[in-house]
Amino acid sequence: QAGLTQPPSVSKDLRQTATLTCNGTSNNVGYLGASWLQQHQGHPPKLLAYRDASRPSGISERFSASKSGNAVFLTITGLQAEDEADYYCSAWDSSLNAWVFGGGTKLTVL
Amino acid sequence: QAQLVQSGSEVKPPGASVKVSCKASGYSFTSYFMQWVRQAPGQGLEWVGLIHPSGGHTNYAQKFRGSVTFTADTSTNTVYMEVSGLRFEDTAVYYCARELGTMDSWGQGTLVTVSS
Repeated sequence: QAGLTQPPSVSKDLRQTATLTCNGTSNNVGYLGASWLQQHQGHPPKLLAYRDASRPSGISERFSASKSGNAVFLTITGLQAEDEADYYCSAWDSSLNAWVFGGGTKLTVL
Repeated sequence: QAQLVQSGSEVKPPGASVKVSCKASGYSFTSYFMQWVRQAPGQGLEWVGLIHPSGGHTNYAQKFRGSVTFTADTSTNTVYMEVSGLRFEDTAVYYCARELGTMDSWGQGTLVTVSS
């Protein structure tokens, strides 16, 4: 089933800012919003942001999310080596009656 | 805080079935959906389906209908996922995740390896 669209990889320098994108449709991202998950190799995903821009307690303020139309964005400021991970967006799709994920973006911190 | 603890790794031959458990603690078990998500080696996240422990309502992703069954035991705060007719391509880490609008707490994952 159709999912959300993310670029496969992004590379940024240490201490710089990275903005990850996730494109959906009015049936998913544009419907109830999206969440962002971070996954380090060998670990389960971890929620970074939900309902487009809300941040769970304990998540660094360096991570901020936003939405424009049917796209959501995750901005990571002051990149650190530990931010190197895979990032996924997810949303409920009202037409598929299913959860959908993006293919993930591998963030490399140089 | 919420904690989800899954059963251990499994190795099964093709055609067999496997049952994975996910025990919840630290929150009201019947107030949240439980999602199941899988991740094949080197691949992204794939939604398998969901169960609501209160009442047992289920919803399966289209590709898993007929091969996956979710159940919940409210006496032990545990949900189960059974996958039948295993194929090599079912080799993956299977995660359970608590959800109420977003998947905010995840189990550690269970590796299911299908091998002859």
